[in-house]
Amino acid sequence: GDSVTQMEGPVTLSEEAFLTINCTYTATGYPSLFWYVQYPGEGLQLLLKATKADDKGSNKGFEATYRKETTSFHLEKGSVQVSDSAVYFCALSDLIRGGSEKLVFGKGTKLTVNP
Amino acid sequence: EPEVTQTPSHQVTQMGQEVILRCVPISNHLYFYWYRQILGQKVEFLVSFYNNEISEKSEIFDDQFSVERPDGSNFTLKIRSTKLEDSAMYFCASRTGNGANVLTFGAGSRLTVL
Repeated sequence: GDSVTQMEGPVTLSEEAFLTINCTYTATGYPSLFWYVQYPGEGLQLLLKATKADDKGSNKGFEATYRKETTSFHLEKGSVQVSDSAVYFCALSDLIRGGSEKLVFGKGTKLTVNP
Repeated sequence: EPEVTQTPSHQVTQMGQEVILRCVPISNHLYFYWYRQILGQKVEFLVSFYNNEISEKSEIFDDQFSVERPDGSNFTLKIRSTKLEDSAMYFCASRTGNGANVLTFGAGSRLTVL
């Protein structure tokens, strides 16, 4: 079945450092790709998404490009802030019967940004 | 901004007891989901629900689990006889039926089975 492999954490950075969290996927079709973020004590929030090859999703300074040739969707941010400390999940959407979909998640990467 | 609301935020129960987790999806959404996250592990799909029936369920979603949309607004997950390994954060999610595939998640219900 479809799967997502995500860079193991935890990742600890200083404020204003460059962030990359690697994500690769295996899928039989052409899934949409997502990054979700989970702040401490909160639920999952959509950070960004891309629906087809070469699309770039971006939000709050984060970016990720859908690379079909390398089956990757790496998350990047040029200058992280303390408030970016959270767990980041890469996910793909897998079409299931009835037109519904389910998300397949990676294991999550915990990011801690120190002042 | 519309939200998916989940209750309770935390429930502690004894092994073997029945638990019902409640969710109020966004009002115009048509697809509903439950996911769970065991502490320190990945978020796992449990079940999807559309047009008053289950669309798909995972291997985790065995006969001890059931879902219901009793009144057109609530979406519940019932665990009939809880086990220790059911301890997890349970997330409800919903999405529209207009082709957009973005799920909106609730804040989660933490279930602790003793």
